[in-house]
Amino acid sequence: AQSVSQHNHHVILSEAASLELGCNYSYGGTVNLFWYVQYPGQHLQLLLKYFSGDPLVKGIKGFEAEFIKSKFSFNLRKPSVQWSDTAEYFCAVSLVSGGYNKLIFGAGTRLAVHP
Amino acid sequence: GAVVSQHPSRVICKSGTSVKIECRSLDFQATTMFWYRQFPKKSLMLMATSNEGSKATYEQGVEKDKFLINHASLTLSTLTVTSAHPEDSSFYICSAKGGLAATYEQYFGPGTRLTVT
Repeated sequence: AQSVSQHNHHVILSEAASLELGCNYSYGGTVNLFWYVQYPGQHLQLLLKYFSGDPLVKGIKGFEAEFIKSKFSFNLRKPSVQWSDTAEYFCAVSLVSGGYNKLIFGAGTRLAVHP
Repeated sequence: GAVVSQHPSRVICKSGTSVKIECRSLDFQATTMFWYRQFPKKSLMLMATSNEGSKATYEQGVEKDKFLINHASLTLSTLTVTSAHPEDSSFYICSAKGGLAATYEQYFGPGTRLTVT
């Protein structure tokens, strides 16, 4: 079965530290990849997505992610985090199943940034 | 960006009763809506996919008679948890997209916290 793994469940960083959140998926076909963010008390929002082309994609708020097909990975990075980046981050893969595109989510990584 | 609302945000009901949760796309027409369930410290689990005017497609292991989904219009989908039991207590999230293709973004609602006593 298709799955998405996020290696870190909790990450604690100080402001200005660099961030990398791991994401691996298990699916042999063509995939579309996403990172979503959920700030405290808010709904899920799209951070960035990869469909095709340049495997290094840039998203909002200085985030980027790199698709490495050989490693089935789509890690999220930010060179310098801010306190406002405190949130939960979800990696997701879009698959076609039963004629519909559906998202398979990872378990999420809770990021806490201390001032 | 597009806005998706859910109502109610929280509901407490007694075991054996039914609860209806509404999901609305406020500023776009949602060809497809999705219902997810999120357990504490776990990922979002897709329950079903629905297209306007047609029957929902349920994921494996999701009881279609227990979780009734209606997508009556391009802006409204409802999830009814029938004969709720404490194990149905969870956070239910809907999302909506404006087209079938993967390139259409899914917009998520704020979620509904259901507690069955």
